[in-house]
Formats: sequence, structure tokens, C-alpha cells
Amino acid sequence: GAVVSQHPSWVICKSGTSVKIECRSLDFQATTMFWYRQFPKQSLMLMATSNEGSKATYEQGVEKDKFLINHASLTLSTLTVTSAHPEDSSFYICSARISDGYYEQYFGPGTRLTVT
Amino acid sequence: KQEVTQIPAALSVPEGENLVLNCSFTDSAIYNLQWFRQDPGKGLTSLLLIQSSQREQTSGRLNASLDKSSGRSTLYIAASQPGDSATYLCAACNQGGKLIFGQGTELSVKP
Repeated sequence: GAVVSQHPSWVICKSGTSVKIECRSLDFQATTMFWYRQFPKQSLMLMATSNEGSKATYEQGVEKDKFLINHASLTLSTLTVTSAHPEDSSFYICSARISDGYYEQYFGPGTRLTVT
Repeated sequence: KQEVTQIPAALSVPEGENLVLNCSFTDSAIYNLQWFRQDPGKGLTSLLLIQSSQREQTSGRLNASLDKSSGRSTLYIAASQPGDSATYLCAACNQGGKLIFGQGTELSVKP
């Protein structure tokens, strides 16, 4: 149980285009999802917290107009990287949390974004 | 602001050895502490979660301990195997439910 999927698993796009990444909780409902990014040989950095039906909360230094997050249902959150640039190339990982009071997060397999 | 540190950054051991990975955190007001495994280019696999009221958790050859007062957690791996080779991450969950990750320990177990 508690499986989280991401799509696509990897994507290559040209500079200036937008890319959408989907995060789905497959067998549970998640009122809260999180988006992280990870650069090579570095740890995960939280980008934003996504709550179903409300606006996402972004961490300091993360541009909300560049990284658009939508959490339209209890099983789906999307991250859109707008006007992507090579410095946006990274590994993006989402997680979902069951509202059971234990605050355990279940992580997706990640999406490798390369902007050329 | 919570800071999580993991020592060592990298570790290489021969197969069969028992080993300990260390994690320290600066703010003891945590909700829980989680240990994860990450294989190259992959997402995270949750290994153990210790609630703030607990002292340790065990799963198979893995044992994680938590000492909130000293801001420390350890992950003990018994009888290491080459398949254990991966990066191990610890993360402290603050009262708001956010995870703060350490930099990870890259473990290599040699056959």
C-alpha cells in the first residue's frame, strides 16, 4: 500500500518551454503533497507544500510563478516548470501524506528534467 | 531553523560487517524522524520511522534509534550485504509536518 507514482520519469525539453510533472497517490487519498528537487550528489530540498483545494505554500527562494503547483484532487498534484532554463535541470520528487496524524510521507520515483 | 547533519558522508565496508550511520539535528522539537534509502537515479524508499515518543524501531537487519534530548539518531545495519549499497538519508519532521533532510551517507558494501 501507499504507492506514489510520477509521470513522466524523465523528460528533455528545450529552453523556454514549459513542462508538467504529475504526482499521483495510487491507493490512498492525500490531502497534502510535497514537491522536492534534488541536484546531483545533494540532498532533497523542499520546494512547496500542496494542499488539496487550496493554493500551494512555497519555501523561501522558490519562485511560485515559475513552479506552478496544482492539487486539484485528493490523488493528484501537478508541478509545471514554466519557461524552463538549463539551471532548472534537476531531479524532481514528490511525496504524499496520509492524513492519519503520523505525518509519514510516501515518495514517488522522481522525474529527471533536462533542459537543453 | 532545523539543520540535519549526517556522518560520515561516505562509507565503504566489506560484506558481513555491522555498521552505524549517524544523524544529528539541531532542533529537538521534532514530530518524528525517518530514515530512507535512495538508489542512484531513483526515488526514496522509506526504511524506518521513529515517532518522537519512541526510542527505536527495528525492521529486519535494520535498527534505528532516536535520542531527542541529544539531537541524535543512528541507523544500525547488521551483517551488511552488497545489496545494501545505496545512499541513506535521514530526515527530521518538524511540528508543521515538513521533512528536513540530511546530506546523506553513501554506503558501499564490497563483496
